[in-house]
This record gives sequence, C-alpha cells and structure tokens, in this order.
Amino acid sequence: NAGVTQTPKFQVLKTGQSMTLQCAQDMNHNSMYWYRQDPGMGLRLIYYSASEGTTDKGEVPNGYNVSRLNKREFSLRLESAAPSQTSVYFCASSGTQGALGEAFFGQGTRLTVV
Amino acid sequence: GENVEQHPSTLSVQEGDSAVIKCTYSDSASNYFPWYKQELGKRPQLIIDIRSNVGEKKDQRIAVTLNKTAKHFSLHITETQPEDSAVYFCAAKDQGAQKLVFGQGTRLTINP
Repeated sequence: NAGVTQTPKFQVLKTGQSMTLQCAQDMNHNSMYWYRQDPGMGLRLIYYSASEGTTDKGEVPNGYNVSRLNKREFSLRLESAAPSQTSVYFCASSGTQGALGEAFFGQGTRLTVV
Repeated sequence: GENVEQHPSTLSVQEGDSAVIKCTYSDSASNYFPWYKQELGKRPQLIIDIRSNVGEKKDQRIAVTLNKTAKHFSLHITETQPEDSAVYFCAAKDQGAQKLVFGQGTRLTINP
C-alpha cells in the first residue's frame, strides 16, 4: 500500500516563484492536512480539509492556498515564495470514525527558498 | 482555537530508566489524543493514542494517561532503550471538526 504520497521530495525555489506541492492518499480517508516543520521545531498546521469540498485554516495559513481536488488529493500552493517558507512540508490523512482517527504522514517535501 | 503545550523540550535519561512527557490542551472539544515518534529524517509515526472516554492506555513499555478535567495528558516510557531516542509529539484532535494540532515536540535521548 502506498499510503500518503507527496511530490516532490525536494525543491529549491527563488524568492517570488510559485509552486504547488501535491499530496495523494489511497486509504479512503476523509480528512487531510498540511503541516510545516522548521528545523528543531514542531509540526505547525497550515490548512486542513475535514472532508471533500471543505478546507479550513490552521495555525499558520498566511502565504499558502490549498485545494481539495477530490477525496484522494489535497494540494498546497505557494503563490510567491519567501525565504521564511523554507521548511519541510508534511501532508497527512486520517479517517474519522472507527480507525480512532490515526493520521498517516507522507514522506515530506524539503523546500528551500533562496 | 486549540493550543497544545508540550514539556520538556529536551529530555535525557539513562538506559533502563523511565521517561515522562507531558502535554496540556486548551479546547475542551478535543477528544482524541495521539502520540507520534519521529526519528531523524523520517516522517512522524503513531506510537499510541487515547480517546477522551478512557483514562489510561498501555502498550508494552508505553503508556498514556489522560486527565480530561485538567486538560492534560502524559506519555510514559518504561525500561528505556537506545532505540527510543527520537523526537516525540503529542497532539489533540476534535473528532467533530477534524482539526489535529501538535505540541512542540520533545527530543528524548537515551544514554547507554
């Protein structure tokens, strides 16, 4: 089973460039999440989607947009990248009932903005 | 919104001793509390979780306790081993809104 798949794994951007991080899950989960993890820091929630068709802001949404394309896919877009957005980005998904709501993480995208 | 505080930020214990990590949360609607372990360069992985209708849960050397009245929960690792060295995160989730918020993490080092 693939679980949660993120692309790309690594990316270098110049300040002001845009890019979209892709995330797909094959576990039929309703909820999906985007987190950023700065060096030595915790996981901060950027945006989440409780179900297909809905998205909500997390703790640090400024500078990001998301799209819940369908139940499987949840993308994160940086419209105009800034050095402060240099981080490791994790996508995660979870079921709602039955499975206790365990969140499964993708392998992460290491983004550097120069 | 939900705020999860985790302490300590770093913890060093001798192999064989116990380790305790504590978290508090702010949103009384939160009803699911997972703990994740993250090894260097890897993704976080669930090690144990607890629902709000349960006070304690054990899985071999790992246990979690929850005090819903005080809004705090703790991770206990007994008989620590070198492979327990990692960063541990607590989290809180409102199963209704599905918002999952993490604490700041604890870097646990097991000294041989």
